[in-house]
Parts: sequence; C-alpha cells; structure tokens
Amino acid sequence: DQQVKQNSPSLSVQEGRISILNCDYTNSMFDYFLWYKKYPAEGPTFLISISSIKDKNEDGRFTVFLNKSAKHLSLHIVPSQPGDSAVYFCAAERGSTLGRLYFGRGTQLTVWP
Amino acid sequence: DAGVTQSPTHLIKTRGQQVTLRCSPKSGHDTVSWYQQALGQGPQFIFQYYEEEERQRGNFPDRFSGHQFPNYSSELNVNALLLGDSALYLCASSLGTTGLFNVLTFGAGSRLTVL
Repeated sequence: DQQVKQNSPSLSVQEGRISILNCDYTNSMFDYFLWYKKYPAEGPTFLISISSIKDKNEDGRFTVFLNKSAKHLSLHIVPSQPGDSAVYFCAAERGSTLGRLYFGRGTQLTVWP
Repeated sequence: DAGVTQSPTHLIKTRGQQVTLRCSPKSGHDTVSWYQQALGQGPQFIFQYYEEEERQRGNFPDRFSGHQFPNYSSELNVNALLLGDSALYLCASSLGTTGLFNVLTFGAGSRLTVL
C-alpha cells in the first residue's frame, strides 16, 4: 500500500534550468510533507518541508508547492546545479505519529552542464 | 559534531542466521527510528524507540526486534534471516520530547546481504 508515490524514476535537466520533481499521496490525514536528498553511500539528508496548512514554502533555490485538493506536491529547484544530482525522496507524516515517515520510491535527478 | 553513526557498514549473512545492527544517534537526540530500504524502493518504517521503549511499529514481523540503551543508542535485531531481508537499513534520530514536528537525521546505513 504505497501512500506516497513518485511516478518519475528519473529526471534529466540542464544546468541553470528549473528542475520540477513531483509527488502524489493518498492519505488525507498527512500533516507534514518533506523532501530528502540522497547521494550514493550517504544517508538521506533533509532538504525542505511544508505543513499541510500551507501551500508554498521557499528556501533559497528550493520551493515546495502543496495542492491538497489534488493530493499533490512538487519540488522546484531554480537554478539547477550539477551538485544537485542525487536521488530525491518525497515523504509524509502524521502529527499523531511523528517520526514515522512514508516515503516515495525516489526520483534520480541528473543535472548536466 | 558527529551525526548518526551506524555499524557495520556492510555485512553478509546466510538464510536462517541472525544479525544485529547498531546505531548511535546525533548528539542531543533521544529518539531513534529504523527504516529498511530495499533496492529501488523508498525507505520503509520498521519501528521507533524513545525512553528505551518501542513507541511505534510499522508492518514488519516479530523477527525484527530492537532495543534502546540509556545513552540513547539502539540496536536492530533480525532473526531467521530471509533472502528478502537483503536491504539497506537506515537509522534516524530526532528529538522526541517536544511532541512537535522535527526533522529526522539519517545515518549512512548498514547494507545487509542475505545469501
């Protein structure tokens, strides 16, 4: 039962352009949504989050958009840099079970010069 | 400031054996969660420990058990290993006392191969 879905296993973007990573979820009880980035041989590192009561959160080059009616969120990276090349995981959790994250399968982002 | 450290990094076991994985949380964190990441999948929640007690558990069989020590470090034990237990096991720590949303800090994981 995959409650968080990332339907694009890979994305390739030219340096300087915008990267848009998408994520869908099925459980309307989720309170928080997070994006983690993972490099090979390293653990996932937190990137940005958004509460379910908001529709946008921005942190430097990274912006997350939440559309609750569509149960959809997206991560925008502008401008994309080669160092952004990594696997990006979308995750969600409920306020009543903090620390129990539901992850998508990840999207491999490749940013080429 | 050391983050989350896990050991061993890699290990190989045979079916039916038992394995113990270890985790030291980030300094200042008191809650440890364990995740299993199979190849091509996202991490799946196994369980969470706080104050030396299992506070939450995911959909994993009783073959998976854990422990948290007074210094907040934790162990994950898996008995009667199956081929399907081959995965990257991730430990994550957080501060659980606030009851508020806070970010998990992950270790690099222990890669288990079951032959």
